[in-house]
Amino acid sequence: GQNIDQPTEMTATEGAIVQINCTYQTSGFNGLFWYQQHAGEAPTFLSYNVLDGLEEKGRFSSFLSRSKGYSYLLLKELQMKDSASYLCAAWDSNYQLIWGAGTKLIIKP
Amino acid sequence: GAVVSQHPSWVICKSGTSVKIECRSLDFQATTMFWYRQFPKQSLMLMATSNEGSKATYEQGVEKDKFLINHASLTLSTLTVTSAHPEDSSFYICSARDLLSGHDTGELFFGEGSRLTVL
Repeated sequence: GQNIDQPTEMTATEGAIVQINCTYQTSGFNGLFWYQQHAGEAPTFLSYNVLDGLEEKGRFSSFLSRSKGYSYLLLKELQMKDSASYLCAAWDSNYQLIWGAGTKLIIKP
Repeated sequence: GAVVSQHPSWVICKSGTSVKIECRSLDFQATTMFWYRQFPKQSLMLMATSNEGSKATYEQGVEKDKFLINHASLTLSTLTVTSAHPEDSSFYICSARDLLSGHDTGELFFGEGSRLTVL
């Protein structure tokens, strides 16, 4: 079956760096997405990786290793507003989006 | 980025009534829209794929007659929860990709979500 695994919850301190890992098992692969979702709101797009390596966008970076079925989202200089759930999702061979359960990130002052 | 608007944001209804949720793409045309349901502390569950001018494709386990989807134009899809019951209470979210403009990056643009509470 197809599966996305990511930690349920993580805690970090304001100003620090946190890495949220995601492993995936899909029938074929056409890319991996990270979305941010604040409580009670819809998800918003953060990144898309289809090639191996690191993509940097300001304070957020996303990494992909296709051979390992692994990705991570790196958040630097954490701010209180970064407290949210972070959803990892992968496209399978049919471009069906397989969603992870999300990682709830708690930022402490 | 492209904007998707969903209405209403909150709805409370009595058991047995029907509720309609609208999803509009405001600045792009969407041949396909996706309807998700999300229970507390759980991830998004795809309910159905809405196709403009044709029948929706429902995921396994989703009742077609209970969750009626209509995608009559390139900018509007509606989800009607018929004969709603308390177990239908959930957060319903629509999304779309901008496939027609030539600028599609795979990104899904989400509506604001509709929180349904059935009493």
